[in-house]
Parts: sequence; structure tokens; C-alpha cells
Amino acid sequence: DTAVSQTPKYLVTQMGNDKSIKCEQNLGHDTMYWYKQDSKKFLKIMFSYNNKELIINETVPNRFSPKSPDKAHLNLHINSLELGDSAVYFCASSPEPADTQYFGPGTRLTVL
Amino acid sequence: SQQGEEDPQALSIQEGENATMNCSYKTSINNLQWYRQNSGRGLVHLILIRSNEREKHSGRLRVTLDTSKKSSSLLITASRAADTASYFCATDATFGNEKLTFGTGTRLTIIP
Repeated sequence: DTAVSQTPKYLVTQMGNDKSIKCEQNLGHDTMYWYKQDSKKFLKIMFSYNNKELIINETVPNRFSPKSPDKAHLNLHINSLELGDSAVYFCASSPEPADTQYFGPGTRLTVL
Repeated sequence: SQQGEEDPQALSIQEGENATMNCSYKTSINNLQWYRQNSGRGLVHLILIRSNEREKHSGRLRVTLDTSKKSSSLLITASRAADTASYFCATDATFGNEKLTFGTGTRLTIIP
């Protein structure tokens, strides 16, 4: 059983488009995250939700909008995609904030 | 600013040798964690060490923490080809808003 899953695994799209990435965890964790990993492998937190409430929003452009319909799901919607958005996006979950984190397999986004 | 920085950036050793990676950070922490990332995959948690602990072991892994020097080291003994991966430290800063801040990573290559 996959603990943290993301779809899609790959996403190739044109500048200006809107896209969504979905994440689900079956670990019963209260906290979920979105991270962005750039081409230099630098991993930076974007958002964190605890019990469906946004607790961290790290100066991410408002083109990025997370949504947590329930504790097991955290989706990421991106409007008006730009070249600089190309990266690998990871979803993760943990029992509580800043605890051991379980990562999804990542979504490689390429903006052309 | 980046909380954790790993040293070296890249390390190549022969199979069977020990590998040591270091992590330095800037502020006081609640805990420090080490993660492994295989190419094209999500991060996998290896070990968590709390600020009141000095050393922790897990199988072939040994982690030390020196809070006076704000540094940690990860030792992998008797390395195997399967240990080839990037290794990241992540810190939960004491006044860090309940998030992990990841370091820049060490790329470890085990030569068979």
C-alpha cells in the first residue's frame, strides 16, 4: 500500500495554463505539506496544513493555491504557469508539525 | 536563509568503506533529521535525533549531534552500492514555526 501518493507523476504544459496536483495519504497523519525541489535539488517548503487548516504559507506567489478537503488529501492548484515553476513538487505528511515526514514520489512539472 | 548546509556536496567512496556526511545549522533546534533521496524518488526518513541527544544508531547508520557547534554528522558503515543517493539533513528550529528546513544535500556515490 502506498503511504503518500501523488498524481500525476509527470506534468508538461505551456506557460499561462492552469494545472492541479493531487496528494493523498493513508497514514492517518494530521499534517500535510507541499515542497518544491529545484534543479539544484534544493528542497523548500511551500505550504503546510494541520487538521485541514493552513499553518505555513512560505511567501509563495498567490498563483499557487493549496486545498485540503479532508485530513487525508492536500491538492495544489497553480494558475498562470510560468517557466520558473518548472520543478519537482513533493507532497509529504507527518503525525504532527515538524515530526518525521513521509514523502510522496513527486510530480515533475515542466513548463514550456 | 538556509538553515542546514551539508558537507561535502559530493562524496565518492569504494563499496565497503565508511561514509561520513556533516550538517551545520544556524539556530537552536528541537530536533534534526536525516533523509535519503534516491534518484527520481521522494525522500525517505532515516533517523531523528532530539536536541537533548548526542548520538543515535539505526542499523549501519550512526548520527551524532553537537548543539554547541550546531552540527551533526551521519556515518554510514560498510557502504553498499544501494546506499548511492543524496542525503539531506533537516532541522526543526526552536522558533521556526513548526516546519522542517532542509539542507543542501550530499550526493553520495558508492563505487562497486
